[in-house]
Amino acid sequence: GESVGLHLPTLSVQEGDNSIINCAYSNSASDYFIWYKQESGKGPQFIIDIRSNMDKRQGQRVTVLLNKTVKHLSLQIAATQPGDSAVYFCAENRGSRYGGSQGNLIFGKGTKLSVKP
Amino acid sequence: NAGVTQTPKFQVLKTGQSMTLQCAQDMNHEYMSWYRQDPGMGLRLIHYSVGAGITDQGEVPNGYNVSRSTTEDFPLRLLSAAPSQTSVYFCASSSGRRNIQYFGAGTRLSVL
Repeated sequence: GESVGLHLPTLSVQEGDNSIINCAYSNSASDYFIWYKQESGKGPQFIIDIRSNMDKRQGQRVTVLLNKTVKHLSLQIAATQPGDSAVYFCAENRGSRYGGSQGNLIFGKGTKLSVKP
Repeated sequence: NAGVTQTPKFQVLKTGQSMTLQCAQDMNHEYMSWYRQDPGMGLRLIHYSVGAGITDQGEVPNGYNVSRSTTEDFPLRLLSAAPSQTSVYFCASSSGRRNIQYFGAGTRLSVL
C-alpha cells in the first residue's frame, strides 16, 4: 500500500557536522510535505514544509530537498547541535474528502538523531 | 499563548472502562485531529474534523468516538478500553493555506 517511510531508523553524528535524514514516499500525487521534530516526552514540532512545485526550501540551519522523480525527501541540518537530538518525521499531506488545503497527514516511522559531543 | 492543550497528561484504565481525552485549541483553527503513537509505528490518524459538526474517520478509528460541537474543543472517547489502546495520544490543529498541524503535549494512556 501507499506509505511514507524512512531509509534509516537511527543516525548518529558528531556535534558540528551536517546531518541528512531521508524519507521516501510512494504517492506520486502528493503535493505537500512537512518535517517534524519530536523530543522525548513532547509532541511533534513543525520544522519546515515544502510544496511539490519546489525542489528545495531553506530555513534556519535546515534545508529540505524534494526529488519528485524518485519520490524522495531529505532534511539537512547544518552544524548539528546537541539540541537537535530528537526523532524526525516526514509527513505527507493526503487531504480529506472535504477538500480544501487542510487535510490528513500520513507520517513515516521516524529517524532518531543522536548528536555526540 | 496556550496553543493546543491536552488533558490529562497521564491515565491508567482497567479493561472495559470508558474515558474521554480532552483537546482544546485557542488559535481558531478549523481542522483538528487525533493521532496515536506506538513504538516503531510513527503517528497514525484516528479521527479528524474539518470544522464544528463535521468529523470523519482516519486510519485507525475502531474503538474511538469523536464529536466537534465547538471550534475550540475536540474530545476523543474510548467507550470500552482495551489493552491494545495503550498508547500515547496526540491532538493537533491547523488552519490556513498550509497544512502545518500544531500538536499538543500528548496523553499517555495505559490500559491494564
